[in-house]
Amino acid sequence: DGGITQSPKYLFRKEGQNVTLSCEQNLNHDAMYWYRQDPGQGLRLIYYSQIVNDFQKGDIAEGYSVSREKKESFPLTVTSAQKNPTAFYLCASSPGVGTTDEKLFFGSGTQLSVL
Amino acid sequence: AQKITQTQPGMFVQEKEAVTLDCTYDTSDQSYGLFWYKQPSSGEMIFLIYQGSYDEQNATEGRYSLNFQKARKSANLVISASQLGDSAMYFCAMREGNQAGTALIFGKGTTLSVSS
Repeated sequence: DGGITQSPKYLFRKEGQNVTLSCEQNLNHDAMYWYRQDPGQGLRLIYYSQIVNDFQKGDIAEGYSVSREKKESFPLTVTSAQKNPTAFYLCASSPGVGTTDEKLFFGSGTQLSVL
Repeated sequence: AQKITQTQPGMFVQEKEAVTLDCTYDTSDQSYGLFWYKQPSSGEMIFLIYQGSYDEQNATEGRYSLNFQKARKSANLVISASQLGDSAMYFCAMREGNQAGTALIFGKGTTLSVSS
């Protein structure tokens, strides 16, 4: 079945530690996205990538980094510079065809907590 | 200014009743798309319905319909005959323009609780 796989489902970070959230898709989509969800805040865009080897900052990119070396994969690293990383992280993808009806397909999310 | 505003943090409805979830948006683009997603307690995001800015008719998908009032910049979701399984968080979102890979902008969501 085609879809988006996020791992792990739960992740714990110690102070000063970098952690990486995995996102893999087998939908052959060009575009991929990372969103952060805090209670009462909705989804906020961290980074997005429209094509392999290219990515752009979203609204809250500080303290995060990404890479897009393969079409299928868009890992997110939460660095020690992110002082409040506790949140639910959602990865999404879309075909990248450039139409207004291009919906996002989401993974099941990763809950990151600070120890 | 917020691009997507959902003013109802929580809504309560009884089974089999209809409910309207409000969404207003702000954009200067002529071409844009509006989406509604459902997020159950499991956390997954489920696409419900889409409305394009040039669509003259309101979108419908089964029990879901979108009340699109372009002049008022509102895109309210109507759920008819609510079911217990409709209890979830609902998000309104917008895509501005039609550039490939443009991200969706989300509202803060409305929690819907359906009781028997």
